[in-house]
Amino acid sequence: AQSVTQLGSHVSVSEGALVLLRCNYSSSVPPYLFWYVQYPNQGLQLLLKYTSAATLVKGINGFEAEFKKSETSFHLTKPSAHMSDAAEYFCAVSDGGDSSYKLIFGSGTRLLVRP
Amino acid sequence: GAVVSQHPSWVICKSGTSVKIECRSLDFQATTMFWYRQFPKQSLMLMATSNEGSKATYEQGVEKDKFLINHASLTLSTLTVTSAHPEDSSFYICSASSRGQPQHFGDGTRLSIL
Repeated sequence: AQSVTQLGSHVSVSEGALVLLRCNYSSSVPPYLFWYVQYPNQGLQLLLKYTSAATLVKGINGFEAEFKKSETSFHLTKPSAHMSDAAEYFCAVSDGGDSSYKLIFGSGTRLLVRP
Repeated sequence: GAVVSQHPSWVICKSGTSVKIECRSLDFQATTMFWYRQFPKQSLMLMATSNEGSKATYEQGVEKDKFLINHASLTLSTLTVTSAHPEDSSFYICSASSRGQPQHFGDGTRLSIL
């Protein structure tokens, strides 16, 4: 069965600093992995996805994530944080061999950006 | 990008009434739609998966008679919370996908039962 662990329920960075949000997964099949962002009282917006192509995935808003099979990780990074990046971030793995299958979400990490 | 519209965004109603939430895929045909529930400061909990023209598949612990899901067309799914009670108050989010494509989410519906 698939599962996702996000380390750190809250991450606080200064504006302009590196953002690193951690995600580790467990999957019995080659995984499809996703990062979503959620702003208050809104749904989820897809930041990026890994579907077994390039291991370094670039997404929207300057975010990227690297799939590391040996570490079963899919950490999300951004070189320079912006105030508008403050939100809740969810890592997810697809429960099947297709990115349209149901998603297993991590518990989420709230990113706080200090001015 | 793909757009999913969810309506209403906020609803307040009395205990015992039924509430219908709509989820529409505006610019693609969604073969599968998902319904999630999110409690404050928590992750999303999948309630059910619905495929167009067939009965929804409910996750363990979700009452199918309480949460009625209809997916009558490739662009519309509805979730009806029947005889709602205060414990049903939550944030409900739908998503839609087509084969091989990632899920696209609606903006959610905040349901408050008085």
